[in-house]
Amino acid sequence: GEDVEQSLFLSVREGDSSVINCTYTDSSSTYLYWYKQEPGAGLQLLTYIFSNMDMKQDQRLTVLLNKKDKHLSLRIADTQTGDSAIYFCAEIPQGYQKVTFGTGTKLQVIP
Amino acid sequence: EADIYQTPRYLVIGTGKKITLECSQTMGHDKMYWYQQDPGMELHLIHYSYGVNSTEKGDLSSESTVSRIRTEHFPLTLESARPSHTSQYLCASSRVSGNTIYFGEGSWLTVV
Repeated sequence: GEDVEQSLFLSVREGDSSVINCTYTDSSSTYLYWYKQEPGAGLQLLTYIFSNMDMKQDQRLTVLLNKKDKHLSLRIADTQTGDSAIYFCAEIPQGYQKVTFGTGTKLQVIP
Repeated sequence: EADIYQTPRYLVIGTGKKITLECSQTMGHDKMYWYQQDPGMELHLIHYSYGVNSTEKGDLSSESTVSRIRTEHFPLTLESARPSHTSQYLCASSRVSGNTIYFGEGSWLTVV
C-alpha cells in the first residue's frame, strides 16, 4: 500500500535555507504536492510537481524529485519566521483513486 | 485562492449533543472530502464523495455521517457527540479530472 514518510521536526535560523524531505512508495504517482498548515488553519497548497519533472522553482521554493529513490524535497530559501508551520507532502497515484498525505514536518524558524 | 468555506470555525458542545459541520465550495468541484486531524498530527480521511448522492467512507472509521444533496455542499453530522470526537475537521474539494485538492480553514470541535 501507499506510505508517505516525513521527518517530524526541523529547526532553522531565520535567513538560512530549509530543506524538508519526503519519501513515498507508490512508483505510479503522477502528482506530488506540498501543503503548508499554519496553527489553527487548514492546509494551503504551496506547490506541486508532475512525476515527469525533476525540479520546479517558484520564487523562494524549490521542489526536487528523485523518482529512482522516490524522494521529494522542498527547499525554502531565506527562511522567514512566517514560514514556521507544518508542511505536508502528498502523492496521488496514477488513476487518481486516492490521495496519501505524509505525516507532516513541523518547521520552526528561530529569529 | 480556494473558495471553500467551513462553519463553524470553533465550537464547544456538551456530550450527547447533535452537531453538523457545514462545508461549501463555489468552484464547482465534484469531489469533496472530510479529514480529521488532531493538533499537529497527520490527516485521516473519514468521508468522501464523487458527486451528488455519492458518499463513501474513508480510511479511518468514524461515527459521523455525511450527505451530498447539492454539488457545492457536503455537511458532516455527529448524532451524539462524545469527548473522543474532539478534533479538527478539515473539508476539501477537487475536480474529478484534476488532482489538486483545496482545503477549507477547518472546524475545531471540542466536546465537553
